[in-house]
Amino acid sequence: QLQLQESGPGLVKPSETLSLTCTVSGGSISSSSYYWGWIRQPPGKGLEWIGSIYYSGSTYYNPSLKSRVTISVDTSKNQFSLKLSSVTAADTAVYYCARHLIAAAATHFDYWGQGTLVTVSS
Amino acid sequence: SYELTQPPSVSVSPGQTARITCSGDALPKQYAYWYQQKPGQAPVLVIYKDSERPSGIPERFSGSSSGTTVTLTISGVQAEDEADYYCQSADSSGTYPHVVFGGGTKLTVL
Repeated sequence: QLQLQESGPGLVKPSETLSLTCTVSGGSISSSSYYWGWIRQPPGKGLEWIGSIYYSGSTYYNPSLKSRVTISVDTSKNQFSLKLSSVTAADTAVYYCARHLIAAAATHFDYWGQGTLVTVSS
Repeated sequence: SYELTQPPSVSVSPGQTARITCSGDALPKQYAYWYQQKPGQAPVLVIYKDSERPSGIPERFSGSSSGTTVTLTISGVQAEDEADYYCQSADSSGTYPHVVFGGGTKLTVL
C-alpha cells in the first residue's frame, strides 16, 4: 500500500522560506506513470494545487505561485520536496503531498499524505 | 484563470439523494474528479473520470456529466457521508494540465 508522509517545520517566520519534504513508501517515486504533487488548504478554506514534479525532475507549477515555488526530487531517498519563499500569513495552511496521475484529458491525485499544518507567524 | 463553481452547501435528510454540481467551461474537454474530505482528514477520491468509482467506495456514490456541468450524486445518504466535497479538473490550455479545484460543497445530513 502506497503511503506518503509530509515532514518539516510547523512554524515559519514571515518573509522566510517554507520547506517541506514528502517521503514515499510502499512504492517507487521513479515510476514512469506518475508525477508527485503538493496541494495546500488554508484553515477553513478550499484546496489549492501548488505544483508537481516527475522523477526526472521535470516540474510544473500553479501560475499564481510559480514565482515563489521550487519543487525538487531525490530518487535515492524516495522523497520530493517543496520550497515556498517570501511567505506571509496568507501561506498558513495544511500542506499535502500526493501522487499525481496525468493522462490525456485526465489528471488527478489518488494517494494523499495526512497533511501537515504550517503556520506563518513571527 | 480557469474556475470550477460548486454550491457552498447542500443539505439532505438521511436516506434521501444528494446532488452536488460543479460547473466549468473546460469540463467537456477534461475529466472531472470528486474528493470527499472529513474534518481533520486528507481528501479521499470518490469518483474519477466523471463517473467511475474507485474500489472501496460505496455504490451509492455516482457521477455524471452534461456539457459544462458535472454532478456527484449520493443515493440513500447516510450520516457518515456528511463531509466537504471538492470537484477537480484541469485547464488544458497550456503545455501541462494545470490542476483546478472547485471551492468545495459542505454536505449536511439533517
